[in-house]
Amino acid sequence: DVKVTQSSRYLVKRTGEKVFLECVQDMDHENMFWYRQDPGLGLRLIYFSYDVKMKEKGDIPEGYSVSREKKERFSLILESASTNQTSMYLCASSLGTGGESQETQYFGPGTRLLVL
Amino acid sequence: AQSVTQLGSHVSVSEGALVLLRCNYSSSVPPYLFWYVQYPNQGLQLLLKYTTGATLVKGINGFEAEFKKSETSFHLTKPSAHMSDAAEYFCAVSEGGTGGFKTIFGAGTRLFVKA
Repeated sequence: DVKVTQSSRYLVKRTGEKVFLECVQDMDHENMFWYRQDPGLGLRLIYFSYDVKMKEKGDIPEGYSVSREKKERFSLILESASTNQTSMYLCASSLGTGGESQETQYFGPGTRLLVL
Repeated sequence: AQSVTQLGSHVSVSEGALVLLRCNYSSSVPPYLFWYVQYPNQGLQLLLKYTTGATLVKGINGFEAEFKKSETSFHLTKPSAHMSDAAEYFCAVSEGGTGGFKTIFGAGTRLFVKA
């Protein structure tokens, strides 16, 4: 079974703090994703990575950055947290066979971030 | 550009009743279509997906969905609801044939199952 783990289930931070969310997958997947999930909006893609040190912007990258130094680990960074970044953050991975658009994504349990 | 519309943010059914969760999509090329389920305090997991071939797709836990190109729909059904089906369900679309990583998720439908 693919396992995607996220470093924290719940996080409380203050406005202006730098926040690191970490995600690790154990199935040697090429592709990794960060989404935020908000009620009524579904999941929105923040960034994705298709290889080590490679990253691409998703639909809502503003205020976020990412890092992928190792294949199994994909970090999301909030450089200066703001209250409108209070949300649920979901990490996902997929195999990466070249047919990415039809691949199943495997999700972590999520990190619920509250920015005060 | 792709988009997904899920009709109804909340659906309530009685245990044993039919479950029908509606999903309509738009896509400029043949789509790949997915249903994911999210149980409380968990991430999403795949229920089923349509890529090519048979338009009626069977998934886990007795769910199935039918791809209807003429109606641009991919509705999710289950003949008899169980209490354990209470969860949030997400329809998603990605564009086939063009490669790429973009999967668009619907806003989600929360299913309530009454005893």
